[in-house]
Amino acid sequence: DIQMTQSPSSVSASVGDRVTITCRASQGISTWLAWYQQKPGKAPKYLIYRASSLQSGVPSRFSGSGSGTDFTLTISNLQPEDFASYYCQQTSTSPFTFGGGTKVEI
Amino acid sequence: QVQLVQSGAEVKKPGASVKVSCRASQYTFTFWDINWVRQATGQGPEWMGWMNPKSGNTGYAQKFQGRLTMTRDTSISTAYMELSSLRPEDTAIYYCARAAGHCSGGTCYYYGFDVWGQGTTVTVSS
Repeated sequence: DIQMTQSPSSVSASVGDRVTITCRASQGISTWLAWYQQKPGKAPKYLIYRASSLQSGVPSRFSGSGSGTDFTLTISNLQPEDFASYYCQQTSTSPFTFGGGTKVEI
Repeated sequence: QVQLVQSGAEVKKPGASVKVSCRASQYTFTFWDINWVRQATGQGPEWMGWMNPKSGNTGYAQKFQGRLTMTRDTSISTAYMELSSLRPEDTAIYYCARAAGHCSGGTCYYYGFDVWGQGTTVTVSS
């Protein structure tokens, strides 16, 4: 199975900050990577696919990059509604594994 | 709007089975695969398996082989996930999710999961 490792596990930030989250795959996955946002008590929300494509309706302050084994999610100009947990998922090979998550806290 | 609506919370004894339903609305149920994902408290999501609603074909994570069954009823646009021989460590929120992607040359590729159900809490306790 492909292991997905996220860092950091948590980050403290303020409104207006720029936050970068890293996701590393245990083997190359090209750009078969998705990012999700999850708030407490809610299902994950689809943010980015194919490593850098923004899902419709997602604000442009979210961006993704990377290919192969190393990926990043960047949130520019952090807004109050962005405080949540973020997960990466590889969609290259079954089982479609998720990272352990990054909690963005105030 | 496009949505997946799941059945309600379940409490089960160890060794029992649970069957969770996931009803699709406002899109053609047979056009996109349905996946199941679970999440224990404080943990990241864990992918369980996929089902093609048109063909009924399924694929399960090795961890769940022999205990997991995914089925569907296309007449009511509903997918089902049944997990048997439950143990306390199966306690989690179970989600169904629609897979976004495309098929080419007989191979299908997932981009990610674009629509999620609201989740069903399954508690396994004696």
